[in-house]
Amino acid sequence: GQNIDQPTEMTATEGAIVQINCTYQTSGFNGLFWYQQHAGEAPTFLSYNVLDGLEEKGRFSSFLSRSKGYSYLLLKELQMKDSASYLCAVLDSNYQLIWGAGTKLIIKP
Amino acid sequence: NAGVTQTPKFRILKIGQSMTLQCTQDMNHNYMYWYRQDPGMGLKLIYYSVGAGITDKGEVPNGYNVSRSTTEDFPLRLELAAPSQTSVYFCASSIHRDSAQFFGPGTRLTVL
Repeated sequence: GQNIDQPTEMTATEGAIVQINCTYQTSGFNGLFWYQQHAGEAPTFLSYNVLDGLEEKGRFSSFLSRSKGYSYLLLKELQMKDSASYLCAVLDSNYQLIWGAGTKLIIKP
Repeated sequence: NAGVTQTPKFRILKIGQSMTLQCTQDMNHNYMYWYRQDPGMGLKLIYYSVGAGITDKGEVPNGYNVSRSTTEDFPLRLELAAPSQTSVYFCASSIHRDSAQFFGPGTRLTVL
């Protein structure tokens, strides 16, 4: 079967750095996406990795290791507005997204 | 651009009733998707479309139907609603099959 694993919940302090991990086992791989979802709202796109390495976009970075089936999302200089769920999703061999259950990130002042 | 719009935002159905969830996008995207999101679980793909006139089943299609008569619209039909269909439904679109998907605001459906 296909599986995406990420921690259910994490807590971090405003101004700090947090790393959210994602491991996956899928039938094929055509890219990995990270989305942000605030409570009661729709997911919004954050990043896309298809090759190994680090992609940086402002305060957010995403890393991929295809050989390890592993990715992480790194959030720097945390702000209260970063309190949200972070969803990891893998595009499988049929170009369908397989989604993790999401990591709820709680930011404390 | 409005992006992806969905109606209604909320709906309560009785068991056995039917309804259509509307989805429209104005970005001229070929690819459109319907997902459901249940608490503590990842989004599940119900149906998707690669262009007008073409639809295909996703992971959880039972109890649902779709049509795609235009590029813009991708309605989802629920026939004979069941409590197991209580969920949040998201419509999404993308320009290519490996591009980021853009989501509508969602429809929160309760079946009692």
